[in-house]
This record gives sequence, C-alpha cells and structure tokens, in this order.
Amino acid sequence: QKEVEQDPGPLSVPEGAIVSLNCTYSNSAFQYFMWYRQYSRKGPELLMYTYSSGNKEDGRFTAQVDKSSKYISLFIRDSQPSDSATYLCAMTLSGGYNKLIFGAGTRLAVHP
Amino acid sequence: GAVVSQHPSWVICKSGTSVKIECRSLDFQATTMFWYRQFPKQSLMLMATSNEGSKATYEQGVEKDKFLINHASLTLSTLTVTSAHPEDSSFYICSARDLRTSGPSTDTQYFGPGTRLTVL
Repeated sequence: QKEVEQDPGPLSVPEGAIVSLNCTYSNSAFQYFMWYRQYSRKGPELLMYTYSSGNKEDGRFTAQVDKSSKYISLFIRDSQPSDSATYLCAMTLSGGYNKLIFGAGTRLAVHP
Repeated sequence: GAVVSQHPSWVICKSGTSVKIECRSLDFQATTMFWYRQFPKQSLMLMATSNEGSKATYEQGVEKDKFLINHASLTLSTLTVTSAHPEDSSFYICSARDLRTSGPSTDTQYFGPGTRLTVL
C-alpha cells in the first residue's frame, strides 16, 4: 500500500464547474499538507499549504484536511480552462524537516 | 519571492557522456535542496537531499556515484548525471527551502521549472 493514494484521473469538467480533488494517506503522523499544480513540462507550483486539520481558502481554491479520516481535499470553484493541469497532493511529518511524500497526481482538464 | 531556477531547461546528450544540471535559489538562501526525477505521467520521486556544505543523502535505490550532487553555496546546487544512458532520460526537478526561516506556516519547498534530459 502506498503512503499516499491519489486517483490519477484524468478528470474532465466543463468550465465553471466545481472540481473536487482528493488524497488519502496511511501515516497518521503527517502534519503538513500541500497541494501543488503542475503544468505540462513545468515544475510544481505551490497552491495551498495546510498545517494539521481544518480548512483553508484562497480565492477559488479551498483545501480541507480531515486527519481523523486521513483524507485531504482540494476544491476549485468556477473552474477555468487555465486550471487544466496535474494536481499533486503532498504531505510531510511534523517536528522539523521531513521529506515530502507525493501522491501520483490527478490530471484535470477544464473544457470551455 | 521564493523563486528557484534551473539550467539548462532541456539537454540532449550522447550515451556515455556526463551532464550537469544547476539549481539556484534566486531570492532566498536555501539551506536544503532536493532533487527529484519524474517520468511521464508519474509523480515526483525524491532522489536525494542536500544540505549546504555537507554530503547529500540519497534515497534507497539511487546510485550516488552516478548522480553526483554538490551544494557548495546557499544558492546553488548541482546534479551531475555521470555516464548517462538512455534509461536516465527523464525530467529532473530541484526544490529548495530555507530551514532557518521556516515554521509551521512556511514549512514547504519551492520547485524549479525542471530540466528535461534526453540521452541518445
């Protein structure tokens, strides 16, 4: 079993739709949770960063962490064609630096 | 802020040659840099972690003699793929962070744009 599970998709939605992306994980010690967006042939770009459980909102993006269920989500409201990319969840342990553990990434396509 | 650059953005080389990839933090000092490789439609695989002024720590299964990492300054790390072979063709991405300034709200890495290596 992988430490972080993420459905690779692809996920295709119409413009304006609400997109829900999620990851599950097995290590209850993870404390820091991140979502990265990666366009084709580019490096990942940090979208959202959450420490421990709860919600965090930034513009059209909302990140949720449910540590009791070991489940994290990223919601994109009013999706745009420019949101078409691969979304990677990542997480790491607490107490100083530990390496990031990435999900496989979900490919999202938003069509006009 | 938190910009990381990589050079070159792409490189094609012949089998058996060595290739050096540079990773620079442009507006912050990176106490720690990471090197990843990514195959098409797959996630990032951590290869090694390097701290400025010390030897890199390699992940299991990564040949340290083949992938030489140098982190001589707080803004520059290099990855040299020695005696490259076609199976080394991949997308190599570095990331960087400043452990001295990070905390619960900033404990993350910033990624470079990646270098695509093709070995013929």
